Amino acid sequence: AQSVAQPEDQVNVAEGNPLTVKCTYSVSGNPYLFWYVQYPNRGLQFLLKYITGDNLVKGSYGFEAEFNKSQTSFHLKKPSALVSDSALYFCAVRRFGAGNTPLVFGKGTRLSVIA
Amino acid sequence: NAGVTQTPKFQVLKTGQSMTLQCAQDMNHEYMSWYRQDPGMGLRLIHYSVGAGITDQGEVPNGYNVSRSTTEDFPLRLLSAAPSQTSVYFCASSSGQGSVGNEQFFGPGTRLTVL
Repeated sequence: AQSVAQPEDQVNVAEGNPLTVKCTYSVSGNPYLFWYVQYPNRGLQFLLKYITGDNLVKGSYGFEAEFNKSQTSFHLKKPSALVSDSALYFCAVRRFGAGNTPLVFGKGTRLSVIA
Repeated sequence: NAGVTQTPKFQVLKTGQSMTLQCAQDMNHEYMSWYRQDPGMGLRLIHYSVGAGITDQGEVPNGYNVSRSTTEDFPLRLLSAAPSQTSVYFCASSSGQGSVGNEQFFGPGTRLTVL
């Protein structure tokens, strides 16, 4: 079975500081990993994904994530946070080669960037 | 492209009433799914479909029915609404087989309240 853990319900960071939103996963075999962002009263928007290759993945709005197979982690990062980054962030996983299986989402982490 | 559209945006039901949440996509995506989002629970999969005529249950299917007669549409039916079904419902779609790691596109959501 696949699962995703986002250990922090809430992350607070000052504007201009680097931010990290943590995600660890459990899957048999290799994973496909995704990050989504949800702004208030909106649907989820895709940020970035790891499929294979370079462990550092760059995505939308200056976000990046690092795949670490030994630690089964896929933490989301941004060098300099903006107030507009404040939102709910979801990590998701699907097992590589699993065919038409759904994404499994974490419970989400609320990011607050304080001016 | 309109992407993934959902109607209605808001709905209030009385216990025992039935209704259908509509979902449509214009991207010719084979894969569609329904999630519910509850505070502290993240996104939980209700039902999904890998193509027209094929549906399967997710994590929380009880009390919901789906059908997929066309590629574009994937309605979610509440048979007899219960207060526990008060939630925000999201429809999502993606192209191709799951093994290619394609990201899902989400609709704007339907906020349902059952009294």
